[in-house]
Amino acid sequence: ETGVTQSPTHLIKTRGQQVTLRCSSQSGHNTVSWYQQALGQGPQFIFQYYREEENGRGNFPPRFSGLQFPNYSSELNVNALELDDSALYLCASSLVQGLTYEQYFGPGTRLTVT
Amino acid sequence: AQSVSQHNHHVILSEAASLELGCNYSYGGTVNLFWYVQYPGQHLQLLLKYFSGDPLVKGIKGFEAEFIKSKFSFNLRKPSVQWSDTAEYFCAVTYGSSNTGKLIFGQGTTLQVKP
Repeated sequence: ETGVTQSPTHLIKTRGQQVTLRCSSQSGHNTVSWYQQALGQGPQFIFQYYREEENGRGNFPPRFSGLQFPNYSSELNVNALELDDSALYLCASSLVQGLTYEQYFGPGTRLTVT
Repeated sequence: AQSVSQHNHHVILSEAASLELGCNYSYGGTVNLFWYVQYPGQHLQLLLKYFSGDPLVKGIKGFEAEFIKSKFSFNLRKPSVQWSDTAEYFCAVTYGSSNTGKLIFGQGTTLQVKP
């Protein structure tokens, strides 16, 4: 257990709909990152939030957006869902201390788009 | 483009065999290197990491990795595997000296250890 929780565990949506995924960071962690893991692939970086501000973004379209709250919990929002958005979505929290860090991953949310 | 390549997609070993999983990354600048493991039904967890210093890194559960800058490699090793090492292994890299923590993952290697 890493102390990082995600909800829901599984989700089924229809193409065109919108979805919100939630992440609760490990206590004291000020940074949260989101990743998309397609079946049989390694996780792909979506974006990172540090102290409620976006702090880096991967190659994902603007319909992927996020929020980080003062208690360091986080949301990932995806609009206009496409079939290719079906994947495991992982949240990872970390505490940045100087130039070293370690990201702790949650169990993920499995999203299926039909 | 920044990328990570894991040479072996699926490895099958018998217990007590030695393990080496290959990992190469593109680009020759400053890198931080990681190996993550995902046991069946569990979430990703860190095996070991390299930021600087001794290029031979010791991790948990008897794993180690060696950073060879000239070869852009960070191979994972274990002298004697156990059935409980059956899992998916991911090599990951962050580029640059910033603390953005944008992990770039390889595609993963599935390790199956036969008892």
